[in-house]
Amino acid sequence: DTGVSQNPRHKITKRGQNVTFRCDPISEHNRLYWYRQTLGQGPEFLTYFQNEAQLEKSRLLSDRFSAERPKGSFSTLEIQRTEQGDSAMYLCASSSRGQSISYNEQFFGPGTRLTVL
Amino acid sequence: AQKVTQAQTEISVVEKEDVTLDCVYETRDTTYYLFWYKQPPSGELVFLIRRNSFDEQNEISGRYSWNFQKSTSSFNFTITASQVVDSAVYFCALSVSTGFQKLVFGTGTRLLVSP
Repeated sequence: DTGVSQNPRHKITKRGQNVTFRCDPISEHNRLYWYRQTLGQGPEFLTYFQNEAQLEKSRLLSDRFSAERPKGSFSTLEIQRTEQGDSAMYLCASSSRGQSISYNEQFFGPGTRLTVL
Repeated sequence: AQKVTQAQTEISVVEKEDVTLDCVYETRDTTYYLFWYKQPPSGELVFLIRRNSFDEQNEISGRYSWNFQKSTSSFNFTITASQVVDSAVYFCALSVSTGFQKLVFGTGTRLLVSP
């Protein structure tokens, strides 16, 4: 399977604990995005990587959140001191950067559903 | 800034009825892309269509059709002869061509098709 994969698919944690999610993009895709989707809402952009560089962060990404993409391959999203408001689906998407100004389609993974008790 | 509005929170229809999902967008960019995604109960986002701002031709794919009107900033989605398998949440989204091309999603419309 060459699609975007995310692990774990589900995570239940207690308030105050740290959690880490992993995203494996499509091979050779140099762009990687994280989105968050809360219940009844559409996905909202969190952060963007081009290769290993984190080039954009949403103001939704508080200082308890950190994302990395070492070596420009897989990415991790860590949430420290989780709060109940962090309960959501965390979606990862990847795309390739084309040569011209055109849209480069984002392919989404299945998401990681986080529940903070 | 970009914004997408899906005013219909939930629509219920009976199988074989036609249904239209509305989408209104806002952007100051002249080059942009519009999308529809389907999210079934499993949660995975399924890509349905992409249109760019220079192409206002309507598109039909099987029972699905899309009506793009720049004059009203709308990109509506019609399902003809709906089926129970069409039950899902549908999201309209917008991206501009410059920068890192993040997607801006609407809040979604939940479609319930009953037998």
